Amino acid sequence: QKEVEQNSGPLSVPEGAIASLNCTYSDRVSQSFFWYRQYSGKSPELIMSIYSNGDKEDGRFTAQLNKASQYVSLLIRDSQPSDSATYLCAVNMKDNFNKFYFGSGTKLNVKP
Amino acid sequence: GAVVSQHPSRVICKSGTSVKIECRSLDFQATTMFWYRQFPKKSLMLMATSNEGSKATYEQGVEKDKFLINHASLTLSTLTVTSAHPEDSSFYICSARAPGTRSNEQFFGPGTRLTVL
Repeated sequence: QKEVEQNSGPLSVPEGAIASLNCTYSDRVSQSFFWYRQYSGKSPELIMSIYSNGDKEDGRFTAQLNKASQYVSLLIRDSQPSDSATYLCAVNMKDNFNKFYFGSGTKLNVKP
Repeated sequence: GAVVSQHPSRVICKSGTSVKIECRSLDFQATTMFWYRQFPKKSLMLMATSNEGSKATYEQGVEKDKFLINHASLTLSTLTVTSAHPEDSSFYICSARAPGTRSNEQFFGPGTRLTVL
């Protein structure tokens, strides 16, 4: 089992809709959870970090963490074509604060 | 967020040559930086953790003699791909932790695309 798993997609949503991206992780990693956005040919850009159970909102983005079920999700409200990118979930190892495992990413297409 | 730069952004070299990639933290000091590699349509794989003033910590399967890391100052880490071969062609990205906080958020440089002919 991979440490971090994501559906590769592509996930297609119409402009203005809510995009929901999901990530599950193994019980060997925990503690800190991150969502990065990566445009084609570019490096990842940090969108959200979440450390405790529940929701965390930042503008159009909401991260949701459920440690009991071992998943973290990202909701994008009012999706825009500019949101079209690959979204990477990252989780740090329980015994190493700095070491991240990345999921393979979910490609999101927002259609105008 | 913290700003991290990389140079060069793109490099093409012949097989057997060595290539040096620089990673700089701008306006903040980074005692620890990270080097990742990303193949097309794949996720990021951590290669090594670069520690200022000490040896880098390499991940399993990464050859330390092939991928030389030097973290000589608090704002600069370099990755040298020695005797590069076509299979080393990849997107190399460095990152650094956010400065001045206890957060472990990592901010990435723009990446270096290496093509070995």
